[in-house]
Amino acid sequence: RKEVEQDPGPFNVPEGATVAFNCTYSNSASQSFFWYRQDCRKEPKLLMSVYSSGNEDGRFTAQLNRASQYISLLIRDSKLSDSATYLCVVNIAASYKLIFGSGTRLLVRP
Amino acid sequence: NAGVTQTPKFRVLKTGQSMTLLCAQDMNHEYMYWYRQDPGMGLRLIHYSVGEGTTAKGEVPDGYNVSRLKKQNFLLGLESAAPSQTSVYFCASSRGQGVLLLHFGNGTRLTVT
Repeated sequence: RKEVEQDPGPFNVPEGATVAFNCTYSNSASQSFFWYRQDCRKEPKLLMSVYSSGNEDGRFTAQLNRASQYISLLIRDSKLSDSATYLCVVNIAASYKLIFGSGTRLLVRP
Repeated sequence: NAGVTQTPKFRVLKTGQSMTLLCAQDMNHEYMYWYRQDPGMGLRLIHYSVGEGTTAKGEVPDGYNVSRLKKQNFLLGLESAAPSQTSVYFCASSRGQGVLLLHFGNGTRLTVT
């Protein structure tokens, strides 16, 4: 079983739609969580960290559910420019390593 | 301020050839990482370093060696390239000391024939 699992998609949504992705992690010692965005043939870039109480950044909302061991990303009012692959990233406590999911691809159509 | 710079951007090797990928960062970051990215498998950690002169194995270290002789540079070596090492390689750095925000380089596309 992969340490971090994501639905690969693609999620194909119209502009203005709301879309949500989930990511599950297997190690209960995971302590830090992030969402990265990766455009085609580019490097990943941090989208947002995920805090225990949930957090929002503009149209993006991230939530953590420790009991069920998953994190989520909600995108409201989707834009064409949101088309990308979204990577779920987890850090295990007392480790310097970040574990990446294989990503969920989002396509926003006009 | 260039951030994280990787060289080369593209390379084609024949099986058995060797090469070194260079990663340089100008942010005075403590931690540096090498990842490879393959379709459907996400980024997998090859080796990492938590400071000058230190290196450690990641998830997929076989066939690779690394060195961190200077804080700003992290080198990834392939001694005898194999077709299975065809991939996109990303270097990343982070400030360390509990701060794990990764800054990535632009990537190196390596093909081994």
